[in-house]
Amino acid sequence: AQSVTQLDSQVPVFEEAPVELRCNYSSSVSVYLFWYVQYPNQGLQLLLKYLSGSTLVKGINGFEAEFNKSQTSFHLRKPSVHISDTAEYFCAVSANTGGFKTIFGAGTRLFVKA
Amino acid sequence: DAGITQSPRHKVTETGTPVTLRCHQTENHRYMYWYRQDPGHGLRLIHYSYGVKDTDKGEVSDGYSVSRSKTEDFLLTLESATSSQTSVYFCAISESSSGANVLTFGAGSRLTVL
Repeated sequence: AQSVTQLDSQVPVFEEAPVELRCNYSSSVSVYLFWYVQYPNQGLQLLLKYLSGSTLVKGINGFEAEFNKSQTSFHLRKPSVHISDTAEYFCAVSANTGGFKTIFGAGTRLFVKA
Repeated sequence: DAGITQSPRHKVTETGTPVTLRCHQTENHRYMYWYRQDPGHGLRLIHYSYGVKDTDKGEVSDGYSVSRSKTEDFLLTLESATSSQTSVYFCAISESSSGANVLTFGAGSRLTVL
């Protein structure tokens, strides 16, 4: 079975500052990793995904994440945030074998202040 | 939310009443899912479907049933609503069963059980 831990429930940050949202996972098999974003009163949408290959993955809106297998982490970063990045961010994992259930973390609420 | 419509978007009901939430897709995707979102828990899978009349339980299926009589429609029913089922419910679809599949979400249905 897989599990996901998002280490921060809320992250306040000033506009134009860098931000890192932390995600750790556990799994006994190889996994695929995702970050989804949820803007207020909307459904989730894909920000980026890691399937294989380069461990640095770039997504939409200037976000990127790095897969670290030894530390079982998939932290999300952005060098300079905007007010419009205020949203809830979910890390998710699914196994690459034996089924198709995606497991989500509890979410991190990013609040960008002017 | 392209191609996925959830109805109703908001509903207030009383304990003990039946409730049905509808998910309609125009993408002709084979796989459909119902999740619930609660603070501190992220998204948890209730039920999923891998084809017409083919459904299975997720991690929090107690108190819920589903039906899929057509590719485009996936219904979630609470036979006798309880206050613990107050939540935001999201429908999602995917093209394949691979763990690499990306989920596309609807806008959500907010249910309040008094």
